[in-house]
Amino acid sequence: SYVLTQPPSVSVPPGQTARIACGGDNIGSKSVHWYQQKPGQAPVLVVYDDIDRPSGIPERFSGSNSGNMATLTISGVEAGDEAAYYCQLWDRSSDHWVFGGGTTLTVL
Amino acid sequence: EVQLVESGGVAVQPGGSLRLSCATSGFTFDDYTMYWVRQAPGKGLEWVSLISWDGSNTYYADSVKGRFTVSRDNNRNSLNLQMTNLRTEDTARYFCARGFSSSIGGSITHWGQGTLVTVSS
Repeated sequence: SYVLTQPPSVSVPPGQTARIACGGDNIGSKSVHWYQQKPGQAPVLVVYDDIDRPSGIPERFSGSNSGNMATLTISGVEAGDEAAYYCQLWDRSSDHWVFGGGTTLTVL
Repeated sequence: EVQLVESGGVAVQPGGSLRLSCATSGFTFDDYTMYWVRQAPGKGLEWVSLISWDGSNTYYADSVKGRFTVSRDNNRNSLNLQMTNLRTEDTARYFCARGFSSSIGGSITHWGQGTLVTVSS
């Protein structure tokens, strides 16, 4: 089955740029979605279809997807961005939804 | 306002059965694909199942296939998950979630707060 690989953790100082990677075989040919989850809360969609932002999500959040890597980029990181971030896609070949293992973002 | 409220989570012994429900409001229920996603304590998100807008197509994670059954009642705007032959590894918070549209491959735009299922002897 299709596997999405994320680094367990990413740390950045406030105001800097955080990049969270999501690796998968030819992932660039699929639509990737990203979710933010803070402790004790339900996930929140922050990027869908590789690059689009739902209403209410700051422009600081952006996405890209090419080749074997999708990336969530958070510019001007703030303390409130500390959370776990998950990539996700629909694998048509197996008719399965797939989540990455999640990346914990720490703002130093 | 879109609302998803799960219920039915309790403690159950291995081998037991449980039925989770999700009451929805604030949107036209039969316009959307619906999902169940779970999260074991301290772990990541795991997709469990999805059901198409009209209930004609259902999909399951390999870990639950043959044991869990998803269904929906479009007249009552509700989603259900029948869980049988429960295992300790099914212990998790189960989230009901709404898709972006009737498309199966789209993102999840709204989540409930989840209901906790504990499988333990």
